[in-house]
Order: sequence, then structure tokens, then C-alpha cells
Amino acid sequence: DGGITQSPKYLFRKEGQNVTLSCEQNLNHDAMYWYRQDPGQGLRLIYYSQIVNDFQKGDIAEGYSVSREKKESFPLTVTSAQKNPTAFYLCASTGGFYTEAFFGQGTRLTVV
Amino acid sequence: DAKTTQPPSMDCAEGRAANLPCNHSTISGNEYVYWYRQIHSQGPQYIIHGLKNNETNEMASLIITEDRKSSTLILPHATLRDTAVYYCIVRVIGEAGNMLTFGGGTRLMVKP
Repeated sequence: DGGITQSPKYLFRKEGQNVTLSCEQNLNHDAMYWYRQDPGQGLRLIYYSQIVNDFQKGDIAEGYSVSREKKESFPLTVTSAQKNPTAFYLCASTGGFYTEAFFGQGTRLTVV
Repeated sequence: DAKTTQPPSMDCAEGRAANLPCNHSTISGNEYVYWYRQIHSQGPQYIIHGLKNNETNEMASLIITEDRKSSTLILPHATLRDTAVYYCIVRVIGEAGNMLTFGGGTRLMVKP
């Protein structure tokens, strides 16, 4: 079945360490997105990518980095520069314009 | 980007219709209205989208006003499983790419 997969579901890291969250899709979608969600809040856009080897900052890109070397993959690195990294992270992808977005099931990152 | 405004919370009795409003008074002519819902700790699920005509699918109906400045999502017979946060989104498609920007959403509580 086609879909979008995030791994791991839960992730624990020590403060000061970089951590990379995985996002893979087999939907042949061109565009991929990363969102952050804090408890009781909506989704905020971190980065998005329209095509391979190209990506743009969203509203809260500071302290995060991404790469898009393959169409299927859009990993997110939470760096030590991110002041408050503990959050729920969601990855999404879209096909052509005016189609719906598909979301992964999220990664809950806890930094201790 | 067009912004959306939704009430933070609503209640609905099980079996009754749930009508969720959304204001998008700055929407542009080529921007679609999308609705998603998110059940706790899961990725958002697509419900429906439209441009200016009313739309219906197996999950819901979408009513967009003639001036396109507001819309209403209708769940015709709400069940307890419809308890979720509902997001109204205006899809920005243009030079900046294919973006999805979420607001705070409406927390719908369906009660027995």
C-alpha cells in the first residue's frame, strides 16, 4: 500500500545532541513537508521541499536542517541549536496541485 | 497567505449534525479550502476540499459562501469517533510552491 512512514514513533535524546527523524513516502509525490506540533497547539511549518535537491524554510526553521537527496525521502535533523526541541513532529507529502496531503503518524521527540 | 479563523472548541450530540465554521476573509481567487482532522497523537486525516462550489463525499459536506470568505464543514450524523481537532486550511499554490499552513483548529467533542 502507498503511504508515508515516519520512524521512530518515539525518540529520546539528551540535551545538546543532534537527532535525525526519518520520513519516507512511496506515493511518488514531489512535495514534502515537516511540521512541529506542541501540546494543544496547531501545526507549524518547519521546512518544505517541492523537488529533489531543493527546499525552503517554513515559519520556524531555526535550529532545524533538512535534505532532499531522493524523491522518496525527506529527513529532518533537530540540532542542538533548537532551544526547545521536545515536540510532536509530523511529515507530509502532496502530489499535484489541488490534491490532498498525506501525513505520517508522527514522531514524538523528548529531549532530557 | 490567506489566514483562517475557527472557534477553538465546539460540542455536538451524538447522531446530530456537526457544523464547523471557518472564516477566510482574505482568500484569493485561486486558493482552495481544505479540511483535515486530527485525532489525538495521530497524523491529520484529509476530509474534503473545494474552490467555490459546495462539495460532498462519504465523510462530510463543505459549504462555501458565494463570496468565498467563509465555509462550513458539516458532519451529517456525528459519532463519538468524530471527536477530534478539525483544521480549516487555505491552500497557497503559486510562486512559493505548494504549501499547507495550519491554524489552531476547532476541537470538536461529540457527546453521547
